Amino acid sequence: AQKITQTQPGMFVQEKEAVTLDCTYDTSDPSYGLFWYKQPSSGEMIFLIYQGSYDQQNATEGRYSLNFQKARKSANLVISASQLGDSAMYFCAMRENFGNEKLTFGTGTRLTIIP
Amino acid sequence: DSGVTQTPKHLITATGQRVTLRCSPRSGDLSVYWYQQSLDQGLQFLIQYYNGEERAKGNILERFSAQQFPDLHSELNLSSLELGDSALYFCASSPRFKNGRAAGELFFGEGSRLTVL
Repeated sequence: AQKITQTQPGMFVQEKEAVTLDCTYDTSDPSYGLFWYKQPSSGEMIFLIYQGSYDQQNATEGRYSLNFQKARKSANLVISASQLGDSAMYFCAMRENFGNEKLTFGTGTRLTIIP
Repeated sequence: DSGVTQTPKHLITATGQRVTLRCSPRSGDLSVYWYQQSLDQGLQFLIQYYNGEERAKGNILERFSAQQFPDLHSELNLSSLELGDSALYFCASSPRFKNGRAAGELFFGEGSRLTVL
């Protein structure tokens, strides 16, 4: 079974609009972390935001926020006021505290911002 | 700049050959992770080292091997290369280690793009 599911292969959004990228996860570990990374066309992986499973509040980092719904096992990334530079691949990832320490990644969503 | 350095950035070689990818982690990071990103497989975890010892192994082929040296840099060796090994290979390091386990985000290098012809 997929541990991280990103159901949107591609999205097109008008500049300055908000966008939500979906991510659902599957784990039986009560302690885990959820991450979002951005991969522009140049290829590097850029860390955006982190949410711990025990964090009481949704994480925010500038224009990025994470809509964490634990009961639904979803961790959607919200980008407010999108910019042309937000065009990239976005990956959701999870680290489970039991087992090894790797991050397991979803298949990604390609976001294109339209001017 | 993540602070993780990978060389070479690009590499073109032929089937059957052997290559070595090098990674220097962020200063002070003891854990190094290797990932493979190909078009059809996404980001796949290969292997993790912590302070010179193998910590976890993922979907790493037997033709691939890795090690972490006393100065904490790591090398990923890919041998008997096949066309399907063409991919972007990432190294990442872990910035924090609490209670004996990694915590926090992984910082990725820019990747080594391998093309096998």
